[in-house]
Amino acid sequence: KNEVEQSPQNLTAQEGEFITINCSYSVGISALHWLQQHPGGGIVSLFMLSSGKKKHGRLIATINIQEKHSSLHITASHPRDSAVYICAVRESGGSNYKLTFGKGTLLTVNP
Amino acid sequence: DAGVIQSPRHEVTEMGQEVTLRCKPISGHNSLFWYRQTMMRGLELLIYFNNNVPIDDSGMPEDRFSAKMPNASFSTLKIQPSEPRDSAVYFCASSFSAQYEQYFGPGTRLTVT
Repeated sequence: KNEVEQSPQNLTAQEGEFITINCSYSVGISALHWLQQHPGGGIVSLFMLSSGKKKHGRLIATINIQEKHSSLHITASHPRDSAVYICAVRESGGSNYKLTFGKGTLLTVNP
Repeated sequence: DAGVIQSPRHEVTEMGQEVTLRCKPISGHNSLFWYRQTMMRGLELLIYFNNNVPIDDSGMPEDRFSAKMPNASFSTLKIQPSEPRDSAVYFCASSFSAQYEQYFGPGTRLTVT
């Protein structure tokens, strides 16, 4: 059974700080997703990646397939980045439509 | 495109009542997913449709839950009878293909008293 672990569970930062959220998983995957959920809000897909690195604005996502690990970085953090960040993996093989979700990392960025 | 549309956004009902949640996927997407989110269990897949056909309903908690997709632009998730433990946020998501990025709706917050 695939386990998706995120760390830290909670993270508080000051505006402008560099943020790193980690995700590790236990089985082979075909893709990894990073999602963002604002309090009481909907879920937005930030990245889908299967290798290497992707960048969008101040957000950077990396993945190391051999180590079964991904990181989400936020540069020059801002209070509007405060949200829950969720890592989800899609296993390779038969059920390759199915996402297994981590429990999320609650990020609070203070002004 | 308007994105994935869900209705209602909030539903409060009494135990034993029937609840119907609705979803309109993004036009052209052939994969539709229903998820449930709770504090205890996080996000869980309830059912997956491909080209309007249910492919995997192993996440549906029990017979009280049913889902349909009568056409490519509409899906429903029904709970009958509802129970307090069904209180959660229910998300619908669609994608161009199951292996592509998923687009989530705004969710329906269900409270069963």
